[in-house]
Amino acid sequence: DTAVSQTPKYLVTQMGNDKSIKCEQNLGHDTMYWYKQDSKKFLKIMFSYNNKELIINETVPNRFSPKSPDKAHLNLHINSLELGDSAVYFCASSAGGSSYEQYFGPGTRLTVT
Amino acid sequence: EDQVTQSPEALRLQEGESSSLNCSYTVSGLRGLFWYRQDPGKGPEFLFTLYSAGEEKEKERLKATLTKKESFLHITAPKPEDSATYLCAVGGTGGFKTIFGAGTRLFVKA
Repeated sequence: DTAVSQTPKYLVTQMGNDKSIKCEQNLGHDTMYWYKQDSKKFLKIMFSYNNKELIINETVPNRFSPKSPDKAHLNLHINSLELGDSAVYFCASSAGGSSYEQYFGPGTRLTVT
Repeated sequence: EDQVTQSPEALRLQEGESSSLNCSYTVSGLRGLFWYRQDPGKGPEFLFTLYSAGEEKEKERLKATLTKKESFLHITAPKPEDSATYLCAVGGTGGFKTIFGAGTRLFVKA
């Protein structure tokens, strides 16, 4: 069983389009995250949710809107895509806050042309 | 501001040649220091958590240690399958933010 899954794995789209990435975890964790990994492989936190409540929003443009319908799911919707949004996006989950290890999904490679 | 710096950026070893990776951190109120391994095209995979200075953890050829300012990941007699990017991260201020370093890319040649 996959612990943290993301769909799609690859996403190629044009500037100005709107797209969504879905994430699901079956670990029973309370906290979920979205990270962006750029071309230099630097992993930066975007959002953190705990029990469906937004805890961290790391100065991400408001074109990015996370939604957590329940504790097991955290989706990311991106409006008006820009070239600079091209990156790999990782979803992760943990049993609690930053004292706990995180389990990552396989990533979604977003390419904006 | 919470910060994590890893060195070196890249490390090339021969099989069996032991070495160490460094992670220096600045955080107000350490909630945990984490090591992850990331293979190309995959998400980071959890390796270790360290909570207090002096703590050590081991797994196969890897050993992680922690001081008040830095952590080391020691690799003993590495094999080619140990080739990966090793990421260091700290649980930081506020309780829900984890800061990652830029990683060390390890290449082990047979």
